[in-house]
Amino acid sequence: RKEVEQDPGPFNVPEGATVAFNCTYSNSASQSFFWYRQDCRKEPKLLMSVYSSGNEDGRFTAQLNRASQYISLLIRDSKLSDSATYLCVVNGDDKIIFGKGTRLHILP
Amino acid sequence: NAGVTQTPKFRVLKTGQSMTLLCAQDMNHEYMYWYRQDPGMGLRLIHYSVGEGTTAKGEVPDGYNVSRLKKQNFLLGLESAAPSQTSVYFCASSRDYRDSPLHFGNGTRLTVT
Repeated sequence: RKEVEQDPGPFNVPEGATVAFNCTYSNSASQSFFWYRQDCRKEPKLLMSVYSSGNEDGRFTAQLNRASQYISLLIRDSKLSDSATYLCVVNGDDKIIFGKGTRLHILP
Repeated sequence: NAGVTQTPKFRVLKTGQSMTLLCAQDMNHEYMYWYRQDPGMGLRLIHYSVGEGTTAKGEVPDGYNVSRLKKQNFLLGLESAAPSQTSVYFCASSRDYRDSPLHFGNGTRLTVT
């Protein structure tokens, strides 16, 4: 099993729709979790941290399920500007692991 | 507050040439990292540093050297560039290793012909 796995997509979603994707991780001792957004040919930018109790930032909601070892990202009322690649990141005691990303295309 | 700054933004090298990529951060972060990103490969860690004067190997260190003489700067050197080192290079920094997110620079696009 890979350390961090994401569905590469692409997810093609009409504008205004809700979209969700998951990221699974293999190390149960992982300690912190993040979602990053990466636009084509640009650097990854932090979208949000993921807390055990779940957290929301505007249209974005992140959840952590430690029992099943996955994190999720929900985007409501999607905008054209949400088109990007979304990377999950898992921090453990000895390494920071990036997923390869999920590509999201918002369709007008 | 500039965050993480990388120079240069673009560079073309011939095989066998050398160069140094500079990364500077103004957030007083202890940890700094160099990644490369290739299509379909995701981000791969080259080298990292846990503080001034320290460096450590990451996942793909061969062909690269690094130095962290000052806390705010992390240099990545290519001693003898090879076409396989054509990539986009990202520098990042973080406050700590386990709980803090990474802050990335804008990247350096390197082509080795």
